[in-house]
Amino acid sequence: GENVEQHPSTLSVQEGDSAVIKCTYSDSASNYFPWYKQELGKRPQLIIDIRSNVGEKKDQRIAVTLNKTAKHFSLHITETQPEDSAVYFCAATPGGYSTLTFGKGTMLLVSP
Amino acid sequence: EPEVTQTPSHQVTQMGQEVILRCVPISNHLYFYWYRQILGQKVEFLVSFYNNEISEKSEIFDDQFSVERPDGSNFTLKIRSTKLEDSAMYFCASSDEVRGTEAFFGQGTRLTVV
Repeated sequence: GENVEQHPSTLSVQEGDSAVIKCTYSDSASNYFPWYKQELGKRPQLIIDIRSNVGEKKDQRIAVTLNKTAKHFSLHITETQPEDSAVYFCAATPGGYSTLTFGKGTMLLVSP
Repeated sequence: EPEVTQTPSHQVTQMGQEVILRCVPISNHLYFYWYRQILGQKVEFLVSFYNNEISEKSEIFDDQFSVERPDGSNFTLKIRSTKLEDSAMYFCASSDEVRGTEAFFGQGTRLTVV
């Protein structure tokens, strides 16, 4: 089955800095890669996603890149703010059905 | 904006008891999922459900677990004889397209087995 590795497990940045979280996946059939933000005690919420026919996607301060050959994808947050502090999960679909395989998560801490 | 809703928000049960976790998916969605998240760990897939039957299940989803869509709106997860290690946050999710559309998550049910 699909295996998703995510790094780093924790990331501390100063407000205004950029943050990058990286994920790799194992199943070359995976074709959809969402990123979820989870604040403490709350539901995972989709913040951005990318499909395998696109190399990069941007939404204001958030961008995601995908390298299908290397089987890795990354989340980039620019001009970080304290409210960006949360756990971020990457995920991939193994194909067939939209079953998500999640990475272990990255706790992002943005200090004012 | 439509939401997936789950009840109860928190359930405490004794080991060996049966629990039923309830979910109301978004009304026009056809694909339903249960995930769980043990405290401090990643979200793990349990089961997917489409057209009134299980589409896929993980190795976590053993004979103690079952899912049902008893009517046109509810989707339930039953754990027959709970174990301490079943303590986790259980998330229901739904989507309206296979292969990569956004899965909308409910707010979760925190199950505590004592």
